[in-house]
Amino acid sequence: DAKTTQPPSMDCAEGRAANLPCNHSTISGNEYVYWYRQIHSQGPQYIIHGLKNNETNEMASLIITEDRKSSTLILPHATLSDTAVYYCIVRVGRLDFGNEKLTFGTGTRLTIIP
Amino acid sequence: DTGVSQDPRHKITKRGQNVTFRCDPISEHNRLYWYRQTLGQGPEFLTYFQNEAQLEKSRLLSDRFSAERPKGSFSTLEIQRTEQGDSAMYLCASSLRRSVDVTQETQYFGPGTRLLVL
Repeated sequence: DAKTTQPPSMDCAEGRAANLPCNHSTISGNEYVYWYRQIHSQGPQYIIHGLKNNETNEMASLIITEDRKSSTLILPHATLSDTAVYYCIVRVGRLDFGNEKLTFGTGTRLTIIP
Repeated sequence: DTGVSQDPRHKITKRGQNVTFRCDPISEHNRLYWYRQTLGQGPEFLTYFQNEAQLEKSRLLSDRFSAERPKGSFSTLEIQRTEQGDSAMYLCASSLRRSVDVTQETQYFGPGTRLLVL
């Protein structure tokens, strides 16, 4: 799976949009971008994934650049409960032996400020 | 859906002791994963099962570690002769694999077992 690069930390004011960047310049054509988050003392939680089109669900939006070398996770109206470590993961689209595991980096620690 | 549960949530042990952790996956999930997370790092894959079969083990899983999923439901992770370097959060995740399409499989994590080896 391709390596990802994320800033180690970010702050965002409560109620504002939080934009978390991720660089994945070596991504392959069959690799998806996944985002998970981990709130303190809890297990990681799936947020969203995408291949090349922008995606939106009830939690967040995912914007992937046209060349797919970077993406941005957007939390449209950040709340204090969004304070967490956010992980960007690139994953091959087909589950074969050796590809089932998630490979986490160190993520971005997002702090929502009241 | 009661989620993935892990027991115990916290464990303190002395170096050289054996410890065992339990994971109960979401009902009917056929895949179960174990990860380890040390302070300031993201989770690292240890091993996974499809039903009762252990299909992959990481190099991180030394001979002192053993995992089982005897009936394809709950799983146990045992660490023998614990060392201080084993201190970490041990996370369990489960998923339902329906096809080879990765987008059809979401891993749901439990709250983890935090191990401290003194």
